Amino acid sequence: DIQMTQSPSSLSASVGDRVTITCRASQNIDSYLNWYQQRPGKAPKLLIYAASSLQSGVPSRFSGSGSGTDFTLTISSLQPEDFATYYCQQSYITPPYTFGQGTKLEIK
Amino acid sequence: EVQLVETGGGLIQPGGSLRLSCAASGVSVSSDYMSWVRQAPGQGLEWVSVIYTGGAIYYADSVKGRFTISRDNSKNTVYLQMNSLRADDTAVYYCARGSITFEYWGQGALVTVSS
Repeated sequence: DIQMTQSPSSLSASVGDRVTITCRASQNIDSYLNWYQQRPGKAPKLLIYAASSLQSGVPSRFSGSGSGTDFTLTISSLQPEDFATYYCQQSYITPPYTFGQGTKLEIK
Repeated sequence: EVQLVETGGGLIQPGGSLRLSCAASGVSVSSDYMSWVRQAPGQGLEWVSVIYTGGAIYYADSVKGRFTISRDNSKNTVYLQMNSLRADDTAVYYCARGSITFEYWGQGALVTVSS
């Protein structure tokens, strides 16, 4: 199975900061990489699909990049509602479509 | 508007069985890929199973042989039959539309396996 490793596991930042979260796959997954945001007690929300495509309705301050094994999620200017946990997920060829362990973004 | 509503969660003893249901509206389970994803308390997301429109089914190794995904097109509902439950199956179980990208999610159903 493909393993997904996110870094950092947690991150403290302030409103207005630019934040980058990285995700590394254990093998080449082309651009089959998605990003989700999860707020406490809520279901995950799709932010980015196919590594860099912004899901409809998601603010443009979110962006994704990368291909192959290394990927990044960037939030250009943090807003109060962005403090949450973020997960990457690979969807390469056949299941299991594994998730990263998550990155908890906290207010500094 | 797409809505996915999971029911059937609860407290069950180790070794027991439980069936989760995911009632869908705004989407047809017969023509969409439907998946289950779970999240243990305080932990990350774990992909569990998917059923494709053509009927192909996949499971995570951790549930293979114990869990069964199915659908009832007439009820527009997807099911997850869970047998031989273990303590480490304790989690919130989410139903999600999609296979490679999960665009829509239910609110989740809590399954607690404990004696």
